[in-house]
Amino acid sequence: GAVVSQHPSWVICKSGTSVKIECRSLDFQATTMFWYRQFPKQSLMLMATSNEGSKATYEQGVEKDKFLINHASLTLSTLTVTSAHPEDSSFYICSAREIAGADNEQFFGPGTRLTVL
Amino acid sequence: AQTVTQSQPEMSVQEAETVTLSCTYDTSESDYYLFWYKQPPSRQMILVIRQEAYKQQNATENRFSVNFQKAAKSFSLKISDSQLGDAAMYFCAYRGSGGSNYKLTFGKGTLLTVNP
Repeated sequence: GAVVSQHPSWVICKSGTSVKIECRSLDFQATTMFWYRQFPKQSLMLMATSNEGSKATYEQGVEKDKFLINHASLTLSTLTVTSAHPEDSSFYICSAREIAGADNEQFFGPGTRLTVL
Repeated sequence: AQTVTQSQPEMSVQEAETVTLSCTYDTSESDYYLFWYKQPPSRQMILVIRQEAYKQQNATENRFSVNFQKAAKSFSLKISDSQLGDAAMYFCAYRGSGGSNYKLTFGKGTLLTVNP
């Protein structure tokens, strides 16, 4: 149990286009989902916290108009990178916190590699 | 703000030997959670072990154990009988005690190499 999926697993796009990444909790309901960004050989940096039915809370320095987050249901959150540029190329990871589970664990998706040409 | 420090960018260990990864953190909270995550080349984050700060007993999961020193704000991970499959990046992480604060703060990671 407690499986989180991400789609797509990798994507290549042209500069100036928008890319949507989906994060789904497959076998549980997630009241909160988190979006992280990871550059090569670096740690995970939290971008935003997404609560179902409400606006996402962005970390300092993260452009909310650039990285649009929607958490429309208890099993799906989406991250849209708008007008992507090469510096947005990175590995994006989501995690989900289960409503009914122990409140101290998050389950991570497998990540999405974004390359902007 | 909470910070997590992993002072060892890289570590290596011989297969079947024991290795300890260091982690220190800074917080003003009295109740919190600490985690060790493993990130293999697949980049899937895997929870290795977790510790609740209010528990004095060190957590253990099979070959993995921690040395939690609350006063020193230290949380090291010991891997016993190291296996080739243990080779990965290991991240120490901190999480506050609850309410709206479920965010994880990660250290910079330690790359563990296991030599056959």
